[in-house]
Amino acid sequence: EAQVTQNPRYLITVTGKKLTVTCSQNMNHEYMSWYRQDPGLGLRQIYYSMNVEVTDKGDVPEGYKVSRKEKRNFPLILESPSPNQTSLYFCASSGGSRQHFGDGTRLSIL
Amino acid sequence: AQKITQTQPGMFVQEKEAVTLDCTYDTSDQSYGLFWYKQPSSGEMIFLIYQGSYDEQNATEGRYSLNFQKARKSANLVISASQLGDSAMYFCAMREPFSSGSARQLTFGSGTQLTVLP
Repeated sequence: EAQVTQNPRYLITVTGKKLTVTCSQNMNHEYMSWYRQDPGLGLRQIYYSMNVEVTDKGDVPEGYKVSRKEKRNFPLILESPSPNQTSLYFCASSGGSRQHFGDGTRLSIL
Repeated sequence: AQKITQTQPGMFVQEKEAVTLDCTYDTSDQSYGLFWYKQPSSGEMIFLIYQGSYDEQNATEGRYSLNFQKARKSANLVISASQLGDSAMYFCAMREPFSSGSARQLTFGSGTQLTVLP
């Protein structure tokens, strides 16, 4: 089954404690991206990757890092999380016109 | 400037009735794609329907259809015969072409919360 898998689905943590949200896709897609969703703002792109070792900033990249060492994986790294990064995060991949989304990760930074 | 505008923060519809969710967009490109996604309370993003800017026919997927009016830059979602399970947040999104430098980024509207009443 074609899917994008994110882990964890839920995380409550504290300010400053580094965390990584993993994302993996099994569709051999070149393009992957991360979005955050906040009330009243829809989804905003954080980072995207056109292929292995090729990443670039989206609209709201501050406070985040990504890496793309393998085609299937695109982890999102928060080196020093802050409360304003409390949000719902989505990973997505695309091989054509449509983007496939993961089920989302709810992060709460206390 | 906002590229996708959804002017209805919330909508109510009676079960079995049809409902239209509004979406207008702004782009100077001739080639673009328009999407609608459904987000139930469980949080996942569910793809509903896609319309390419050069598609001459309005897209349809089961009970979902997209009323595409290119000159007016609108891409309204029509849900026919609403069901209780249609209660969810609905997002309109636009993808601009590679040439704009935005890769395959989707730009989302702020969403419309649809509630279907029994």
